[in-house]
Amino acid sequence: KAGVTQTPRYLIKTRGQQVTLSCSPISGHRSVSWYQQTPGQGLQFLFEYFSETQRNKGNFPGRFSGRQFSNSRSEMNVSTLELGDSALYLCASGPTEQGNTEAFFGQGTRLTVV
Amino acid sequence: SQQGEEDPQALSIQEGENATMNCSYKTSINNLQWYRQNSGRGLVHLILIRSNEREKHSGRLRVTLDTSKKSSSLLITASRAADTASYFCATDSMDSSYKLIFGSGTRLLVRP
Repeated sequence: KAGVTQTPRYLIKTRGQQVTLSCSPISGHRSVSWYQQTPGQGLQFLFEYFSETQRNKGNFPGRFSGRQFSNSRSEMNVSTLELGDSALYLCASGPTEQGNTEAFFGQGTRLTVV
Repeated sequence: SQQGEEDPQALSIQEGENATMNCSYKTSINNLQWYRQNSGRGLVHLILIRSNEREKHSGRLRVTLDTSKKSSSLLITASRAADTASYFCATDSMDSSYKLIFGSGTRLLVRP
């Protein structure tokens, strides 16, 4: 079974631009979560989607948004990029409807904002 | 915001020694998980312990959970150079979602 796939792996953007990151979960998984990892704030939850619905949301500004498609693939978008958005963005997929099991993470997308 | 702190922040040991990392959290949980991260890459799941369990083993890993103290520990026995990584504890958010609340992590260096 293929693991969680995130594309692209690396991205360099300019302040003010927008960016879209993609995540393909493990086949059969309907939950996709997104996390931001920075040296200063650590790993922080962005949002979770289950069956195309946002089920939970972290404490991030509205510039961060996401969506999930009927095939469970998910995208997250960051608009009006700021230098502080430079981070490793991780996506995780979950196999059950209730989040009581392990989450499977992708390799991440490293976003650099210049 | 992060759930809690991990202790120590960094740990350097010799190959063959045991490594112990501690995690504290703030709120009630259904389960606590430990993940490993190699050099800024993805997270690899190590072990999950439920709130009604006190100890769990997986290979060279031993995890304990003390819900009264809101703390957990991860013991890696007979460490190897390949165990060099950052280790994170993560707690669930007590709702029916996959929202995980991560600790600050412990950077483990195993010297050959």
